[in-house]
Amino acid sequence: DVKVTQSSRYLVKRTGEKVFLECVQDMDHENMFWYRQDPGLGLRLIYFSYDVKMKEKGDIPEGYSVSREKKERFSLILESASTNQTSMYLCASSPSGQENSPLHFGNGTRLTVT
Amino acid sequence: GDSVTQMEGPVTLSEEAFLTINCTYTATGYPSLFWYVQYPGEGLQLLLKATKADDKGSNKGFEATYRKETTSFHLEKGSVQVSDSAVYFCALRSGYNKLIFGAGTRLAVHP
Repeated sequence: DVKVTQSSRYLVKRTGEKVFLECVQDMDHENMFWYRQDPGLGLRLIYFSYDVKMKEKGDIPEGYSVSREKKERFSLILESASTNQTSMYLCASSPSGQENSPLHFGNGTRLTVT
Repeated sequence: GDSVTQMEGPVTLSEEAFLTINCTYTATGYPSLFWYVQYPGEGLQLLLKATKADDKGSNKGFEATYRKETTSFHLEKGSVQVSDSAVYFCALRSGYNKLIFGAGTRLAVHP
C-alpha cells in the first residue's frame, strides 16, 4: 500500500513565524501535491511537483513556497505565517505516465496560526 | 476555467436509506471524473472513477455514471450504513497533473 506521511497531525504557530510542513511518500511517485482544505471550499491546490527540484504553482500559491530536494519528500513552507493560513493541509502523491491513477493522500496537518 | 459543483450538505439519512449526492462539472475537453471519500480524522481516498462518457464507476456499493450530456457524475448508493458517514468529494482531472475538487458533502447516517 502507498503510504503518504505528514510529519505533524496538529501544529500551532504564531503570526510571522516561518512554518515547515513535511510530507514523505514511500512509493517512488514522481508527482507530489500540497492542497489546503477549508469548509465550504473543498480542496484547493497550492503547489505541485512532478520531479525533484521541479515545482509548479497551483491555484493559491501566495504566501507559500515549496521544496523538493529528494523524490520522496515534498515540503510546504509558510514564509511568514498569517491567521488566514489557519487550515487543514493535505499532501498527496501519484505516479507519472498514468493519467487516471488516483492521488494518494496523507492524513493531513491541521495548522492553527494565532 | 474548469470547476466542480456538488450539493451542499450536510446530508442526514437513516440506515438503509437511498443516497444521492449530486455533482456537475464544467470543463473543456473530456476530463476524467472521480469521487473521493474522507472518513473522520483521515486523508482522502479514492472511492470510484470514470474516464469517459457513459462509464460507470462502482465500489463498496456506491455507483456514479459519467453523463456528458448533462455534465454530471452523481454518486448513489442503494442502502447506506452508519459506517458510510464521511465527507464525499467530487473531482475532475484538469490537465495532466491537476485534480479540481468540489466543496465536499458531509453525509451523516443514523441507526
